[in-house]
Amino acid sequence: NAGVTQTPKFRVLKTGQSMTLLCAQDMNHEYMYWYRQDPGMGLRLIHYSVGEGTTAKGEVPDGYNVSRLKKQNFLLGLESAAPSQTSVYFCASSHKGAVNGYTFGSGTRLTVV
Amino acid sequence: GQQLNQSPQSMFIQEGEDVSMNCTSSSIFNTWLWYKQDPGEGPVLLIALYKAGELTSNGRLTAQFGITRKDSFLNISASIPSDVGIYFCAGLNYGGSQGNLIFGKGTKLSVKP
Repeated sequence: NAGVTQTPKFRVLKTGQSMTLLCAQDMNHEYMYWYRQDPGMGLRLIHYSVGEGTTAKGEVPDGYNVSRLKKQNFLLGLESAAPSQTSVYFCASSHKGAVNGYTFGSGTRLTVV
Repeated sequence: GQQLNQSPQSMFIQEGEDVSMNCTSSSIFNTWLWYKQDPGEGPVLLIALYKAGELTSNGRLTAQFGITRKDSFLNISASIPSDVGIYFCAGLNYGGSQGNLIFGKGTKLSVKP
C-alpha cells in the first residue's frame, strides 16, 4: 500500500549543484506530475507526463528537467540549483484523465544555499 | 490560463465552530475536488464532486458543486484540533488527453482548543 513514494525527504544543496528527485508509484497510474509548493503560491505544476516516454511542461518548468523511462517512475532533475528553487516538491499520479483526482507523495523539502 | 480563487486565505477559529470556505472560477469545470494537507505531508483527497448541484458529505465535511459549475463550497462542522491544515480546491475539465487539475491557493485553517 505504498501509493506514491518520494525520495529523498530532505536535501540541502549548494548553488550550482545538481540533483535528481525520485518519484515511484505502485498504482499503475498512467499520468504523473511534479509540483512545487511555496508559501502563498499554492501548488504550481513544473512538468507532467501522460505516459511512459512522454513529458510536457507545466506552469514553471524553467531550471528543471524530467524523465519517465518506466511507467512507475518519474524523475525531476535540477541541473544547476539556484536559491529560487528552495521549495517543497510534490510528486503526484493519477489514472488517465485524472477524473478521480491525484494521489500525492509526502514531499521533498529542498533548500539551496 | 484558468485560475481558481479560493477564500478565505486563512482562518483562525475556536474548537467546535463551523467552517466555510469556497472556490470560484471564471471557467466551467466538470469536476471539483477538495484536498487537505496536514503539516509536513502531501495533500489528501477529501471529497470529489462530479455533477452540478451535487452535495456530498464525508463525516463532518460537506462539499457542494455549484449550479453554475464555476464554484464549489466546503463546510466543516464542529471543528476539532486535527482539522488544522491547508485545504485546497481543485477543478478539472476532462475530455482531452490531459488530466491537469487546476488548484486554488489554499485556505489555511487554525483551530484553537
